[in-house]
Amino acid sequence: GENVEQHPSTLSVQEGDSAVIKCTYSDSASNYFPWYKQELGKGPQLIIDIRSNVGEKKDQRIAVTLNKTAKHFSLHITETQPEDSAVYFCAATLNSGNTPLVFGKGTRLSVIA
Amino acid sequence: ETGVTQTPRHLVMGMTNKKSLKCEQHLGHNAMYWYKQSAKKPLELMFVYNFKEQTENNSVPSRFSPECPNSSHLFLHLHTLQPEDSALYLCASSHPGQGGEQYFGPGTRLTVT
Repeated sequence: GENVEQHPSTLSVQEGDSAVIKCTYSDSASNYFPWYKQELGKGPQLIIDIRSNVGEKKDQRIAVTLNKTAKHFSLHITETQPEDSAVYFCAATLNSGNTPLVFGKGTRLSVIA
Repeated sequence: ETGVTQTPRHLVMGMTNKKSLKCEQHLGHNAMYWYKQSAKKPLELMFVYNFKEQTENNSVPSRFSPECPNSSHLFLHLHTLQPEDSALYLCASSHPGQGGEQYFGPGTRLTVT
């Protein structure tokens, strides 16, 4: 089955700097890769996703890149702000039928003002 | 808000108690999920329901009993739990067949004493 590794487990950046979180997956058949943000006391919220037919996707300050050959994908947050502080999870799945998402262990991002 | 609600938000129960967690989604989805989130572990998928039918039971102990009376409601019945079952229990929903794009509720923080 699919296995997703996520690094780093914790990340501290200064406000205004960029943050990068990386994930690797094991199943080359996986074709859908979402990223979730979980703030304290809340459930995970989908912030961006990418499908295997594209290499990069952007939405304002966040972007995700996918390297299918190497089986890794990354989340990039630019111009970080204190409200970006949260736990971020990557996930992977074969987006066919109802194959469940497999999640990474999460990265706790702290943006220091 | 994501359109997925969970009650109660917090629950403390003894090992001999019986309680139920409730999830409701207002997104018109037909797939619903229960996840367990423990500290320093990846999100663990417990159960999946599609069109009210259970399609996945991820080797969950029988002291957890799910119920899906319709596509909008999902319950998790709890009985004779153990302290190690203390965790955040998250409900999610999605359109079936899309695999990804799951929307999570805020979770129920369960403490078993």
